[in-house]
Amino acid sequence: GENVEQHPSTLSVQEGDSAVIKCTYSDSASNYFPWYKQELGKGPQLIIDIRSNVGEKKDQRIAVTLNKTAKHFSLHITETQPEDSAVYFCAASTDGTASKLTFGTGTRLQVTL
Amino acid sequence: GAVVSQHPSWVICKSGTSVKIECRSLDFQATTMFWYRQFPKQSLMLMATSNEGSKATYEQGVEKDKFLINHASLTLSTLTVTSAHPEDSSFYICSAPQDVATQYFGPGTRLTVL
Repeated sequence: GENVEQHPSTLSVQEGDSAVIKCTYSDSASNYFPWYKQELGKGPQLIIDIRSNVGEKKDQRIAVTLNKTAKHFSLHITETQPEDSAVYFCAASTDGTASKLTFGTGTRLQVTL
Repeated sequence: GAVVSQHPSWVICKSGTSVKIECRSLDFQATTMFWYRQFPKQSLMLMATSNEGSKATYEQGVEKDKFLINHASLTLSTLTVTSAHPEDSSFYICSAPQDVATQYFGPGTRLTVL
């Protein structure tokens, strides 16, 4: 089955700096890659996603890149703010939908003043 | 955006009792819903797929007789943890796909079994 690895497990950046979180996946059939933000005691919230026919997608301060050859995808957050502090999860799906996701292990992002 | 709710948000129960957790899609219908389990500081692990009008599909290693799932309607799925024990204490999260492209998660239910 699919295996998704995520790095780093923790990341601390100063406000205004950029943050990058990387994920690799094992199943070359994976074709849908969402990113979720989870705040303490809450469920994950979709922040951005990308499909295998696209190499990059951007939404304001958030961007995701996908390298199908290397089987890895990354989340980029620019101009970080304290409210960006949370746990971020990448995920992958092989059926092209948001169903039956395999999640990465999570990255705890701390944005300091 | 679409909203998925869960009830209760937290529950504490005695060992041996059963606990029911509800998952509702508030502004869309979902023929399929998913149940995840998350231990502290760990990732989400898919437990089962809830199917409206048919039996749930359980992931390998998940006891179907312990985690009973009922998809009563197109907007409601329930997870019942039967004969709960302390090792069942966890954060249970449901999700529902609004369409093939987007899956929304509920806020989670924290179960503590004493």
